Amino acid sequence: NAGVMQNPRHLVRRRGQEARLRCSPMKGHSHVYWYRQLPEEGLKFMVYLQKENIIDESGMPKERFSAEFPKEGPSILRIQQVVRGDSAAYFCASSPPGYYGYTFGSGTRLTVV
Amino acid sequence: QQQVKQSPQSLIVQKGGISIINCAYENTAFDYFPWYQQFPGKGPALLIAIRPDVSEKKEGRFTISFNKSAKQFSLHIMDSQPGDSATYFCAASSGRKLIWGLGTSLAVNP
Repeated sequence: NAGVMQNPRHLVRRRGQEARLRCSPMKGHSHVYWYRQLPEEGLKFMVYLQKENIIDESGMPKERFSAEFPKEGPSILRIQQVVRGDSAAYFCASSPPGYYGYTFGSGTRLTVV
Repeated sequence: QQQVKQSPQSLIVQKGGISIINCAYENTAFDYFPWYQQFPGKGPALLIAIRPDVSEKKEGRFTISFNKSAKQFSLHIMDSQPGDSATYFCAASSGRKLIWGLGTSLAVNP
């Protein structure tokens, strides 16, 4: 079991470009979560998804951010028209049904220049 | 508004000593309290977790103490080792969304 796979590990984007972050959950995990971590801060919840459904997106900025978890393939966090303030580590986690304990991936570190 | 307050921000302990990290929460609806360990460049890894119907849980060298009336919980690392040097986060949830403390950077001196 390869664990939660995130790619890319590092992503550099110029202001105004789009960033696409991918997350493949652990085998058998149907719940995916995205968190953002700014330097010297804890993680901030962004969104919780199950296959083809967004369950809770209360932490997602209203504009420019979107997430999906299609029936086939990885979960995608998409940030349009990136700004410097989007620079952060974005972590994906997954869990099986009925279990609260997350397994995190190693994160994608987004740098906006 | 920080719903989960964690202290201290940083901690230095000698090898073999006890590391103690404290967290306090506000929302009485929280019903799941995990602790995560994070090494540089890695994602957080679940260490140990507790539900509010239990006052203490121990797994190896790691113990969570939980005080429901005070709305506080703490992590104790016994016989701390240099390999325990990492950032530790407490969190709390009611449902699937975790609310995180700001982290404690632990350094264990050999």
